[in-house]
Amino acid sequence: KAGVTQTPRYLIKTRGQQVTLSCSPISGHRSVSWYQQTPGQGLQFLFEYFSETQRNKGNFPGRFSGRQFSNSRSEMNVSTLELGDSALYLCASSLGTLQTSPNYGYTFGSGTRLTVV
Amino acid sequence: EDKVVQSPLSLVVHEGDTVTLNCSYEVTNFRSLLWYKQEKKAPTFLFMLTSSGIEKKSGRLSSILDKKELFSILNITATQTGDSAVYLCADSGSARQLTFGSGTQLTVLP
Repeated sequence: KAGVTQTPRYLIKTRGQQVTLSCSPISGHRSVSWYQQTPGQGLQFLFEYFSETQRNKGNFPGRFSGRQFSNSRSEMNVSTLELGDSALYLCASSLGTLQTSPNYGYTFGSGTRLTVV
Repeated sequence: EDKVVQSPLSLVVHEGDTVTLNCSYEVTNFRSLLWYKQEKKAPTFLFMLTSSGIEKKSGRLSSILDKKELFSILNITATQTGDSAVYLCADSGSARQLTFGSGTQLTVLP
């Protein structure tokens, strides 16, 4: 079966712009989580969506937002881009949320590499 | 706040060597500890260790969890160049998110 699909693979944006990243989970998975990965901070949690509702949010500014659609696909949006937003953005899908189904495990996509110049 | 610390940060070995990667954690409410392998982009799942499953093995890879001492190790025997990757451990504790360590960069030389 198809894995987690993230588009686009690469993006280059200028400071001040906004960007939207997309994540299609594994078929049947209803939970989508987003992570930011940078060399200095490692993998950091952004947010988790389940059944179109945000279930948990990490310590990121309000410029980072997301949503989930009825087919479980998710988008994340970053507005007013800053140089420090350059990172690999990973999404992961699971059957259930981490809180209610902690032992399901997560499958990650290949990520979107965002470069802000 | 959950905390996960991995060591060493990097490791260089030769093919055939055995390596041990360490992961210590501080969590308020332990649920599970996960190991991932990240070669280029997508971290790929290796093991999940829980209170009811403290030892896992798959081929040349094995992992154990010590709940008393709050650490886990990942062992790789007879290493191959294809094992070169960043190995990440993460806990799914009380924070309702995966908290990752900084990873161990393993390089296996031919």
